[in-house]
Amino acid sequence: GAVVSQHPSWVICKSGTSVKIECRSLDFQATTMFWYRQFPKQSLMLMATSNEGSKATYEQGVEKDKFLINHASLTLSTLTVTSAHPEDSSFYICSADGTSGRGTDTQYFGPGTRLTVL
Amino acid sequence: AQKITQTQPGMFVQEKEAVTLDCTYDTSDPSYGLFWYKQPSSGEMIFLIYQGSYDQQNATEGRYSLNFQKARKSANLVISASQLGDSAMYFCAMREGGTGGFKTIFGAGTRLFVKA
Repeated sequence: GAVVSQHPSWVICKSGTSVKIECRSLDFQATTMFWYRQFPKQSLMLMATSNEGSKATYEQGVEKDKFLINHASLTLSTLTVTSAHPEDSSFYICSADGTSGRGTDTQYFGPGTRLTVL
Repeated sequence: AQKITQTQPGMFVQEKEAVTLDCTYDTSDPSYGLFWYKQPSSGEMIFLIYQGSYDQQNATEGRYSLNFQKARKSANLVISASQLGDSAMYFCAMREGGTGGFKTIFGAGTRLFVKA
C-alpha cells in the first residue's frame, strides 16, 4: 500500500527555535497533503491543506506565519514551526492523497512527529 | 458544516466478543466518504475501513464491518472476535465531495479496552 514517511519522528528543542518537519509520499505522487496536530488524549485537528505548487490553505485559528508550510514537489511537504514555544508541543501528523488512482479512497497518514519544546 | 460525533469516550469488551463503536455524522453534501482509523499508543493512524455515501452495501474488511445507516446518518464500526491487540483509540472520520483533495474531519475518538 501507499506509504507516507515523516522526519523526524521526535524532536526536542529550546523555546524560540524553529523546527522543520518533513512529510514524504514514498511510492506515489501527492498533489495534496494535510497537516494535523493532536494534543494528548484528543482528536486530530486539521491545521492546513498543502497543495503542490501553491500556497497552503490554513484552518481558522491557525497562524500561517507561525506554521509555515511548503509543498515544493509532488512527494514532499514541510511544516516549519517558527519560534516554537512550549504550547506548540504536540504530535504533528501529515497525510497525503494519491494521484495514481491507487488509494484515492483514503488518506494515507505518516507516523507522526512528536515535538517537545522546552 | 461538517460534524462527526462519537459519544463513547471509552469502551470495554471481553476478548473474543464483538463490540460496536458508535459514530454519527452531519453533512449537507450528498457525496461523502466515511472512514474509521485505529490509533495505537505508538500514534500511527491505521486505516481500517471506508464507506462511500453511494455504496449500497455495508463495507467489510476482515473482522471490521461498518453498519451504515444513511437515513440516520450513522456509521458504526463493528469489531468481531475482539483481540487484545485491538486495544487502541478509534476515530471515525468524514470527507465530503468524493475522495480527492477535500479535508477530512475526525470525531473525538473512542478508546477501546479489550479484557483478557
